[in-house]
Amino acid sequence: DTAVSQTPKYLVTQMGNDKSIKCEQNLGHDTMYWYKQDSKKFLKIMFSYNNKELIINETVPNRFSPKSPDKAHLNLHINSLELGDSAVYFCASSQGVVGGEKLFFGSGTQLSVL
Amino acid sequence: GESVGLHLPTLSVQEGDNSIINCAYSNSASDYFIWYKQESGKGPQFIIDIRSNMDKRQGQRVTVLLNKTVKHLSLQIAATQPGDSAVYFCADANDYKLSFGAGTTVTVRA
Repeated sequence: DTAVSQTPKYLVTQMGNDKSIKCEQNLGHDTMYWYKQDSKKFLKIMFSYNNKELIINETVPNRFSPKSPDKAHLNLHINSLELGDSAVYFCASSQGVVGGEKLFFGSGTQLSVL
Repeated sequence: GESVGLHLPTLSVQEGDNSIINCAYSNSASDYFIWYKQESGKGPQFIIDIRSNMDKRQGQRVTVLLNKTVKHLSLQIAATQPGDSAVYFCADANDYKLSFGAGTTVTVRA
């Protein structure tokens, strides 16, 4: 059983399209996150939600909109995709709000914008 | 900006030797630090963590050392194995988020 699962694993699309990435965790955690990993492997937080409430929104273009229908799911919708959005996107979860909590990561969604 | 960084982007180690991966952080208010391992095509996996009230913590074949005076932490891997080949990240926690360093790619030579 995968603890944090995200779909799809690969996403290839044209500039200007709208796409979504889904994430689900079965760990019973209260907090979920989206991270972006660039081509140099640098991981940067985008959003975090705690019990469906937005906690962190890190200087992300408003073309990116997270949605948390319940605390086990955090989806990421991206409008008007740009070349610079190409990256690997990781979903993660933690028991509580980070301050001494380890994160559990999904296996990533590799987004390629052509 | 990022609060953590790693000294070296790559590390080549002979199988069986010990590996040391270093990380410097800048936020003196950080009180929790974590090391992650990321294998190719996978998400980061937790290795070991340490709180700021400790200076050393040991796990299975791994040890994390924290030096708050110089804001430095390190990950030591004993008897490095081929399966240890991966990218290693340090991260620190503050403001309700984990901030990651740039990563060190460890390659184990047979």
